[in-house]
Amino acid sequence: LAKTTQPISMDSYEGQEVNITCSHNNIATNDYITWYQQFPSQGPRFIIQGYKTKVTNEVASLFIPADRKSSTLSLPRVSLSDTAVYYCLAYRNSGNTPLVFGKGTRLSVIA
Amino acid sequence: EAGVAQSPRYKIIEKRQSVAFWCNPISGHATLYWYQQILGQGPKLLIQFQNNGVVDDSQLPKDRFSAERLKGVDSTLKIQPAKLEDSAVYLCASRGLGGNTIYFGEGSWLTVV
Repeated sequence: LAKTTQPISMDSYEGQEVNITCSHNNIATNDYITWYQQFPSQGPRFIIQGYKTKVTNEVASLFIPADRKSSTLSLPRVSLSDTAVYYCLAYRNSGNTPLVFGKGTRLSVIA
Repeated sequence: EAGVAQSPRYKIIEKRQSVAFWCNPISGHATLYWYQQILGQGPKLLIQFQNNGVVDDSQLPKDRFSAERLKGVDSTLKIQPAKLEDSAVYLCASRGLGGNTIYFGEGSWLTVV
């Protein structure tokens, strides 16, 4: 699976839009980009997944350009409760491929 | 729908003692994973089951860790004897057949003193 690289940490004020960029230069044709969120003392939670262009759900938007070498998770108008670690992963939806986690991006939202 | 259940939530043991963690995946999920997460790091896969068979245990320290999923439903992860460096959160996760989302439990926190 492709290695992903993302910033170690980010800070934001409440109400701002936060964009977390992830690079995955060696992503394979059948890999999806998946983002998980992890709060302290909890297991990771699926946020969003996409293959190309833009995906939006009630929590976030995911932008993946045509070359798929990077992606951006966008969190609109963050609140204090969005403080968490966000993991970008390349996920192969075939067979039983597990998720391979990096260190993630630690987002701190400040009042 | 019930999520992935894990127990115990917290455990403190002395080094060289043994400990066991239990996981009940989401009903009907054939694939079950055990991850280890050390403080400040992302989760690391220890073992993956498909029904009651092991798919991948390449990162499981087999001299002290063992896991089983005898009936293809719930699973147990055991550590014997524990070392200080085993202090971590042990996460269980599951995925349904053909599903594209992996669901995690809240984890079992182990402190080895």
